[in-house]
Amino acid sequence: EPEVTQTPSHQVTQMGQEVILRCVPISNHLYFYWYRQILGQKVEFLVSFYNNEISEKSEIFDDQFSVERPDGSNFTLKIRSTKLEDSAMYFCASRGTEQFFGPGTRLTVL
Amino acid sequence: DAKTTQPNSMESNEEEPVHLPCNHSTISGTDYIHWYRQLPSQGPEYVIHGLTSNVNNRMASLAIAEDRKSSTLILHRATLRDAAVYYCILRDDWSNDMRFGAGTRLTVKP
Repeated sequence: EPEVTQTPSHQVTQMGQEVILRCVPISNHLYFYWYRQILGQKVEFLVSFYNNEISEKSEIFDDQFSVERPDGSNFTLKIRSTKLEDSAMYFCASRGTEQFFGPGTRLTVL
Repeated sequence: DAKTTQPNSMESNEEEPVHLPCNHSTISGTDYIHWYRQLPSQGPEYVIHGLTSNVNNRMASLAIAEDRKSSTLILHRATLRDAAVYYCILRDDWSNDMRFGAGTRLTVKP
């Protein structure tokens, strides 16, 4: 069964550093998403991406964040200058007839 | 997305059916009812979705009230592996994001 994959599974970084989280969506899906979940809290929508551009974004997705689909298979989330409060699980998702989520990347900002 | 209301938590015994309720009194005519679940330390997992008619799949059944203001996710025989947070989410087919609430935390007792 096709699945969304994410790398790395765990990323540790220093505050102020840039991080790139990577995702490989399901191959015939056209809509891509990033969500985050701070420990013990609900899953929060960050951004959706369709036809090589952002289609919707939440108030969380500020100028520190960017997304890219660099090569037709990967979908990345970049955080330019990480803050302590960016520590969370980050989930990628893709949608065809239904939306499927990846296993997540745990980002720890020290 | 229209708001949904779910109980914070429910308990079930293993091998017994579980009925997880969701109220969505402000649902619009184009909103689909989606159910996802999140097992501990995993990403959200698609369970089932429907519009007006009851739906069955290998994981669960979805019973939708005639006025569509409520729905019930039915797990026919709960297993320990079904212990998770279950989310009821409304999404218009044109909407490009999915907003999670707090969900119902299901505990399954052996």
